Amino acid sequence: KQEVTQIPAALSVPEGENLVLNCSFTDSAIYNLQWFRQDPGKGLTSLLLIQSSQREQTSGRLNASLDKSSGRSTLYIAASQPGDSATYLCAVQTGANNLFFGTGTRLTVIP
Amino acid sequence: EAGVTQFPSHSVIEKGQTVTLRCDPISGHDNLYWYRRVMGKEIKFLLHFVKESKQDESGMPNNRFLAERTGGTYSTLKVQPAELEDSGVYFCASSPRQFSYNEQFFGPGTRLTVL
Repeated sequence: KQEVTQIPAALSVPEGENLVLNCSFTDSAIYNLQWFRQDPGKGLTSLLLIQSSQREQTSGRLNASLDKSSGRSTLYIAASQPGDSATYLCAVQTGANNLFFGTGTRLTVIP
Repeated sequence: EAGVTQFPSHSVIEKGQTVTLRCDPISGHDNLYWYRRVMGKEIKFLLHFVKESKQDESGMPNNRFLAERTGGTYSTLKVQPAELEDSGVYFCASSPRQFSYNEQFFGPGTRLTVL
């Protein structure tokens, strides 16, 4: 059974700092990995999707990497801003076609 | 293009009552998923429709939950009768094309509180 873990559960950083969020999964037989952002009381916003054959994806100040063999992904946020404060979720998609989610990392960027 | 929409945004009901949640996927998306997040836990898969057919309902917790997708368009998730442990946020997601591992687009969720 696929299990997804995100560390740390919460993170506070001063504005402008670069940061890394971690995601690990137990079964490397995945099709893709998706990073989401969730603002309080809101739905999930997809940030990046990495297919299993890819090593990384970039969007603006965000860079996500995937090491499928070791069951790890990282989300790198450059030059953090207060608007980046949210909960970040990673999810892996398996052959069953549904997503397995981690519990998320709650990020606070302090002005 | 309109995103995934869900109705209602919040629902508060008493134990034993019935509640029906609705999801309208992005137009043309064949795949429709229901997920649920209960307090303090991760988001978990409930079921997957491909067009109007249930592809996978392995995540449905018990037979008090009934999902339908009429004509392959919108979907409803009915909980009858509701129990306290059903409280949580119910998310719907959709993705295009059958048998493809595409990005899933999520709705804002319905927050269900059972008293």
